Amino acid sequence: QQKVQQSPESLSVPEGGMASLNCTSSDRNFQYFWWYRQHSGEGPKALMSIFSDGDKKEGRFTAHLNKASLHVSLHIRDSQPSDSALYFCAAPYGSSGNKLIFGIGTLLSVKP
Amino acid sequence: NSKVIQTPRYLVKGQGQKAKMRCIPEKGHPVVFWYQQNKNNEFKFLINFQNQEVLQQIDMTEKRFSAECPSNSPCSLEIQSSEAGDSALYLCASSLPRLYAEQFFGPGTRLTVL
Repeated sequence: QQKVQQSPESLSVPEGGMASLNCTSSDRNFQYFWWYRQHSGEGPKALMSIFSDGDKKEGRFTAHLNKASLHVSLHIRDSQPSDSALYFCAAPYGSSGNKLIFGIGTLLSVKP
Repeated sequence: NSKVIQTPRYLVKGQGQKAKMRCIPEKGHPVVFWYQQNKNNEFKFLINFQNQEVLQQIDMTEKRFSAECPSNSPCSLEIQSSEAGDSALYLCASSLPRLYAEQFFGPGTRLTVL
């Protein structure tokens, strides 16, 4: 069974703090990863993708990929209450490479 | 704001009833996906289309679920005979026809089967 594992299940950080979310794949065929964010009552929205080893930074968000260990992380600096949401790691798979397999999610709460 | 439109937002059905939900993909996106997100936030891919053609679907979709994306009409997902286990958030997403393309999700249809 192809799987994407996420940790922690939930995370609470103070406003202005750093949030770090983790994701590990069990399938070496996964070469491309997305981070999605889902606010309550909404559908998921893509934050960023990563497919090269190393860091990728977009504003307050930095993704890191280590292909050798199949580990992906997302770091949110200067966290804001509006960042409170579910965060999902997702990997495209299948013959067309477009179906997404999602992790179970990390619930982030940013306390004012 | 979601540019993928899903209707209705909430749907309540009795067991054995049909449940139908619709999706208008983002303009210019020929690829449409349906996912099921359960109460534990687990996602399950159901089916995807490119234009009007089915690309892939899972076994569950082949048996009790039917879906279509007719030309110039909303896409739809219908459950022929709803079961309690079908209660979930049904998400429609659309994308460009590109490998690893970003998928844009609608707000979902929350189905409750009593």
